[in-house]
Amino acid sequence: VQLVESEGGLVKPGGSLRLSCIVSGFTFSDYHMTWIRQAPGKGLDWVSYISSSGSPIYYADFVAGRFTVSRDNVKNSLYLQMSSLRVEDTAVYYCARRRLARGGFYFDSWGQGSLVTVSS
Amino acid sequence: SYVLTQPPSVSVAPGQTARITCGGNNIGSKSVHWYHQKPGQAPVLVVYDDSDRPSGIPERFSGSNSGNTATLTISRVEAGDEADYYCQVWDSSTEHVVFGGGTKLTVL
Repeated sequence: VQLVESEGGLVKPGGSLRLSCIVSGFTFSDYHMTWIRQAPGKGLDWVSYISSSGSPIYYADFVAGRFTVSRDNVKNSLYLQMSSLRVEDTAVYYCARRRLARGGFYFDSWGQGSLVTVSS
Repeated sequence: SYVLTQPPSVSVAPGQTARITCGGNNIGSKSVHWYHQKPGQAPVLVVYDDSDRPSGIPERFSGSNSGNTATLTISRVEAGDEADYYCQVWDSSTEHVVFGGGTKLTVL
């Protein structure tokens, strides 16, 4: 199982950036996927998840309509389109594979992370 | 929203037992999952569904969950266990994933 994320980047406040996550080693279309972020020196924050088919999709409250998650099951790829970026969105963004738990779910495989820096 | 509370740090000598707690309102009714994260690396799942271990995780890692507290127990602690540890649940009322604030385990 491998999840390989695109490089992040430096973006000005108000700008946009798209992250991608290409997976291999498992049948991508069978799994729900997630984005999780971690601000420098801080803990983990869930961002969004998308079902195996592409719907439904859920977002954390702080996304507030600024991010869009999508997937291409033919290309084995997960995407996070981020717009109206804020300084506080500066973080390492991880894609992760979601697994069903007895109640809810957990994340058993993670990408290496993409650093997104929002600064003027 | 649902809140998970972890102690910021736990210290233990090599060979001893480390216990990292994760507090939440009636957390015993939820499934709790634990990750460790070493500096510069992605998190790694170490316990899921309160007490199950993924393949490749040593038996030294175990978990329990009851009442308002879930606990990750690491027996016979080794220097390589030094990391940040995070608990995680799913809040069904909001359909959101919740992480604890993390606990830094220091091996003395």
